[in-house]
Order: sequence, then structure tokens, then C-alpha cells
Amino acid sequence: DQQVKQNSPSLSVQEGRISILNCDYTNSMFDYFLWYKKYPAEGPTFLISISSIKDKNEDGRFTVFLNKSAKHLSLHIVPSQPGDSAVYFCAARGSGGSNYKLTFGKGTLLTVNP
Amino acid sequence: EAGVVQSPRYKIIEKKQPVAFWCNPISGHNTLYWYLQNLGQGPELLIRYENEEAVDDSQLPKDRFSAERLKGVDSTLKIQPAELGDSAVYLCASSLVNEQFFGPGTRLTVL
Repeated sequence: DQQVKQNSPSLSVQEGRISILNCDYTNSMFDYFLWYKKYPAEGPTFLISISSIKDKNEDGRFTVFLNKSAKHLSLHIVPSQPGDSAVYFCAARGSGGSNYKLTFGKGTLLTVNP
Repeated sequence: EAGVVQSPRYKIIEKKQPVAFWCNPISGHNTLYWYLQNLGQGPELLIRYENEEAVDDSQLPKDRFSAERLKGVDSTLKIQPAELGDSAVYLCASSLVNEQFFGPGTRLTVL
């Protein structure tokens, strides 16, 4: 049973436009969410996170939105750049005793075309 | 500041052979994780250390996998004997508080 789902395996956008990557989760105990970016032959790199007490967190070109009632979060990249082309993983963390364990989605391959 | 270091980066072995992976976390990070990433999947936690103590190894297949972090710094993950299905990327990560920082991984191919 996949608790974190990224239903779009891939996404292609034009340089300068907005990229929107989506993520859904099923476990209501998740209270902290992270996005990681992964280039080929490298490990995942932390990008941005959001706590369940917020509905938006922004860092430069990257904004993460959280809709707790829908158990949905999204990552917006504006404007998209060719260097943003990578696999993006959504991850979620529970509260309490398991607050270290990250559950990852399968990832979305973003391609930004020049 | 140096990131998480892993070696080797690539390893090809025949089935039934042993293999070991090494990880050196970011300096000062007491928590160390080993993850398994299969093709087309996200990373899955194998084991977590707090200093030298394995506080969660519930996902580690203990019949063939073992890990150690003797001095609470670097760590070794071992598979003996390796099976064809063990072909994957093995990622090490470390953390201080919230965010986990990953190494480049070791890509294992079992023939």
C-alpha cells in the first residue's frame, strides 16, 4: 500500500513557464513533508519542506502548497529553468516515535525544454 | 562542508558473493540511515542509527543483510550472500534535526 503517491511519472514544460508537481498521501499521521531533487548518478538533494501547520512555504523560485483536507501537496517552480530537469521525490514524515522515517513517492521526472 | 561520502560508487558481483558498502556521514550528524532504492521507486529505509545504536532495523532483511556503526561515525552495510534481486542503489543519509542529506549512493549489480 503506497502511502505517498506521485501519479505523474513525467512532466515536460518550456523554459520560463511554471512547473507544477503533485503529490498525494493517505496517512493522516504525516505532519511534515519534503521535496527532494535527484540528478542521474547522484543522491537526492533536499529542496524544500513544509510543516502541517502551514499551507504554503516559499523559497526563491520554489513554493510548496499543502492542502491537508485533501491530503495533497504540490511543488511549484517559477520560472522553470533547464537546470531544473531532474527527478523530484515527494516525501512525508510521521509524528511521535516514527518522526524520523521518511516515506517517499516514486518520483516525477521533470524535463524543462529550452 | 563535505557531504555524505559513500564508496564504492559502483559494484558488480556474481550472485552468492558477499558485498560491503561504506558511508561517512556529514560531520556532527548523529543520525545515519541506509536506504534501498529500486529502479523507478523512491528510497526505502533499511536501518537507522542514533550514534552507534541501531534504533530501527525493522526493514532490514536480517538473514543476509547486516550493518554496523562501531564508533558512531561511519557505517558499513553488508550483504552475504547477494541475490539477483539485490541489484539496486544503496543510499546513505545523515541528519541533525529535520532534513536528511543523502550521499551519491552505491549502484549494485548482481549477475
